[in-house]
Amino acid sequence: ILNVEQSPQSLHVQEGDSTNFTCSFPSSNFYALHWYRWETAKSPEALFVMTLNGDEKKKGRISATLNTKEGYSYLYIKGSQPEDSATYLCAFPSNTGKLIFGQGTTLQVKP
Amino acid sequence: GAGVSQSPSNKVTEKGKDVELRCDPISGHTALYWYRQRLGQGLEFLIYFQGNSAPDKSGLPSDRFSAERTGESVSTLTIQRTQQEDSAVYLCASSLDGRFNYGYTFGSGTRLTVV
Repeated sequence: ILNVEQSPQSLHVQEGDSTNFTCSFPSSNFYALHWYRWETAKSPEALFVMTLNGDEKKKGRISATLNTKEGYSYLYIKGSQPEDSATYLCAFPSNTGKLIFGQGTTLQVKP
Repeated sequence: GAGVSQSPSNKVTEKGKDVELRCDPISGHTALYWYRQRLGQGLEFLIYFQGNSAPDKSGLPSDRFSAERTGESVSTLTIQRTQQEDSAVYLCASSLDGRFNYGYTFGSGTRLTVV
């Protein structure tokens, strides 16, 4: 059974704090690693698709790194803002063509 | 269309009734996926359509669940004889070609409540 694990499960930070969370995935048969942001009352939105070991992607204040050999990815948010409050999901492809999602990290940024 | 469209956005149904959920993917996207999220749980895969291939139904929780897709367009997810444990947000997503170089585009979901 393919296991995608995320930690922590939830996180509360103050506005302006920088934060990061982890996604662990199987290191064998790597295809890609996806990150999504899911805000309350909205649909999940793709943030990054990462395909190469050592990949680093950036979108505004959010960035992600990838280590395929050891099977982890970090998502970083610099200077968190209340609008960053959301659940952040990572997902790993199964060998039968669909993404398996982690349980997510729920971030709450207090003004 | 510009995005993935799902209907209805909310559905309250009585236990034992059948429900049908609809998904209209982005035009040109060959891959279509159904997931659900029950309260307090993660995104659970249900079914996957890729072009004209046989769908991957491995995530359907019971034979009360079925889904169809017409060509590379609209999909319907049908739940027969609904049970309270079927209450969840049902999300549809599409992607360009079913490979993993592109992110999924999700619809806004259907919130199903079985009373």
